[in-house]
Amino acid sequence: SQQGEEDPQALSIQEGENATMNCSYKTSINNLQWYRQNSGRGLVHLILIRSNEREKHSGRLRVTLDTSKKSSSLLITASRAADTASYFCATAADYNQGGKLIFGQGTELSVKP
Amino acid sequence: GAVVSQHPSRVICKSGTSVKIECRSLDFQATTMFWYRQFPKQSLMLMATSNEGSKATYEQGVEKDKFLINHASLTLSTLTVTSAHPEDSSFYICSASGSGGLSYNEQFFGPGTRLTVL
Repeated sequence: SQQGEEDPQALSIQEGENATMNCSYKTSINNLQWYRQNSGRGLVHLILIRSNEREKHSGRLRVTLDTSKKSSSLLITASRAADTASYFCATAADYNQGGKLIFGQGTELSVKP
Repeated sequence: GAVVSQHPSRVICKSGTSVKIECRSLDFQATTMFWYRQFPKQSLMLMATSNEGSKATYEQGVEKDKFLINHASLTLSTLTVTSAHPEDSSFYICSASGSGGLSYNEQFFGPGTRLTVL
């Protein structure tokens, strides 16, 4: 079952601008992950943030997690045309290794050159 | 490291036939593999979780007799879509999670298999 809601569903920006995507979930989690998917391709893991972390950075990516609001955001700074893709958040509730992920609906990002 | 492959990448079959999709972890031991289905413009829906050497656990609403999953080794899981029908046409993605230094709870995804049933 899907438990993640993402907004916006679609986002169109100009190259160089920042892109912010939000994700909300319903149950307690162990960690939250963000993935990117280019059209018709598999998923690429971007970043994992644990429930006891509030912010994490990786290159041009910044992820925040607010467990009290059950929400997370992904910020892509200085966007590039190559960032055009769908972005999904996924939550893991399991404490066992390899716990299943529940994916959000996704945000379709279009970065125009 | 942590590469997962799927084969075939694309398959077209006639209605009523069975199709087998392979998922392999190339450089790590996958104690757990997951199978997802994704319809166009939609998110991934988990179909089942399989642990090596045991029966798969299916999500609610997924027919286990239609979607046969085998995880016979630590590097290979297969999904067989039996008696496929046009409504089974979808993008099937596997992921693998394992031990050996990988981040806790991180899954590595295969490139997906596009199934078209005529």
